[in-house]
Amino acid sequence: QKEVEQDPGPLSVPEGAIVSLNCTYSNSAFQYFMWYRQYSRKGPELLMYTYSSGNKEDGRFTAQVDKSSKYISLFIRDSQPSDSATYLCAMPMKTSYDKVIFGPGTSLSVIP
Amino acid sequence: DTEVTQTPKHLVMGMTNKKSLKCEQHMGHRAMYWYKQKAKKPPELMFVYSYEKLSINESVPSRFSPECPNSSLLNLHLHALQPEDSALYLCASSQGQGANEQFFGPGTRLTVL
Repeated sequence: QKEVEQDPGPLSVPEGAIVSLNCTYSNSAFQYFMWYRQYSRKGPELLMYTYSSGNKEDGRFTAQVDKSSKYISLFIRDSQPSDSATYLCAMPMKTSYDKVIFGPGTSLSVIP
Repeated sequence: DTEVTQTPKHLVMGMTNKKSLKCEQHMGHRAMYWYKQKAKKPPELMFVYSYEKLSINESVPSRFSPECPNSSLLNLHLHALQPEDSALYLCASSQGQGANEQFFGPGTRLTVL
């Protein structure tokens, strides 16, 4: 079993839809969680960083963490074509926070 | 200044060439990273420098040689690469204290002929 899993997609939604992106992880030692957005041929861009179980909101983005289920989600409200990208969840290793485990990424297309 | 810059944007090199990738940040971050990313795959960690000292080498072949001249600069020296080394090379930085966010540069797209 991989440490971090994501549905690779591609996920295609109409403009304005609510998007739900999910990751599951197997290592209960993970304590911090990040979501990155990566446009084609660009570097990843940090969207959200969270520690606690529960929700964290930033504009149209909400990160949700359920440590008991080892499940994290990123919700995008009122999705826009500019949200079309690959979304990567990421978790620093507790033994060395410099080592970040990335999920394989979910490719999202928002259709106008 | 809240960004990580990388040069060059693109690099094409032969298997016998020597070239270098450069990364710079002016956020006062104390940790800097090199990642390699193949198409449709997540970034793979190569090296970590913490306070200008190499702290992690993920068993990277010696044809890749990192260097951290100061806390703002990170280089990756390339020599005798193979075609399978063609990838997007990403630099990142973080505050380097505890679990904290890594900020990525735009990457250098490397093609080895």
